[in-house]
Amino acid sequence: DVVMTQTPPSLSVAIGQSVSISCKSSQSLVYSDGKTYLHWLLQSSGRSPKRLIYQVSNLDSGVPDRFSGTGSQKDFTLKISRVEAKDLGVYYCAQTTHFPPTFGGGTKLELK
Amino acid sequence: EVQLQQSGPELRRPGSSVKLSCKASGYSITDYLMHWVKHRPEHGLEWIGWIDPEDGETKYAQKFQSKATLTADTSSNTAYMQLSSLTSEDTATYFCARPGGYWGQGVMVTVSS
Repeated sequence: DVVMTQTPPSLSVAIGQSVSISCKSSQSLVYSDGKTYLHWLLQSSGRSPKRLIYQVSNLDSGVPDRFSGTGSQKDFTLKISRVEAKDLGVYYCAQTTHFPPTFGGGTKLELK
Repeated sequence: EVQLQQSGPELRRPGSSVKLSCKASGYSITDYLMHWVKHRPEHGLEWIGWIDPEDGETKYAQKFQSKATLTADTSSNTAYMQLSSLTSEDTATYFCARPGGYWGQGVMVTVSS
């Protein structure tokens, strides 16, 4: 299985600050169709995960442009600019390029 | 509006089984695969498997091959997951999820004697 390594495991942030989360995969996530199926999810406390970004850099509908995703092959980054209180929770990267789909271990974003 | 409505929390004894439901609305379940995901706070998210409700084809992660059974009832637009031979390791929240970023609200399963 593809191992997804997220760092850091936790982040303490002040409102308005910008943060980045890293996600590295054990194999290239480029599929045979040329697309890269790396996604970012946010699970706020007590709620179901919500997909924020799909295929590395595409924002889901309603996701503010304070969120951005970059990367390629095996190395990916989620950046959150001007963090707001509603951004707090656990962020996961996920790959669906290879079977089975796998998730990173999560990065808990909390208030400083 | 696409919604996935899951059944309520379950408490089971070790060794027993449980069947969870995920009722879809706003679309026909035959149009998309339905995935199931396990969440434990200290272990993060784990993909269990998917079912194609159109023909019943299923695919499981190896570790859930003998643990989970996925089915679907197209007449009620509902997907199901049965978990068997429950142990404390199965205590978790289980989500159904559809491609496109749609998730059910999750169902907590507690296995305890």
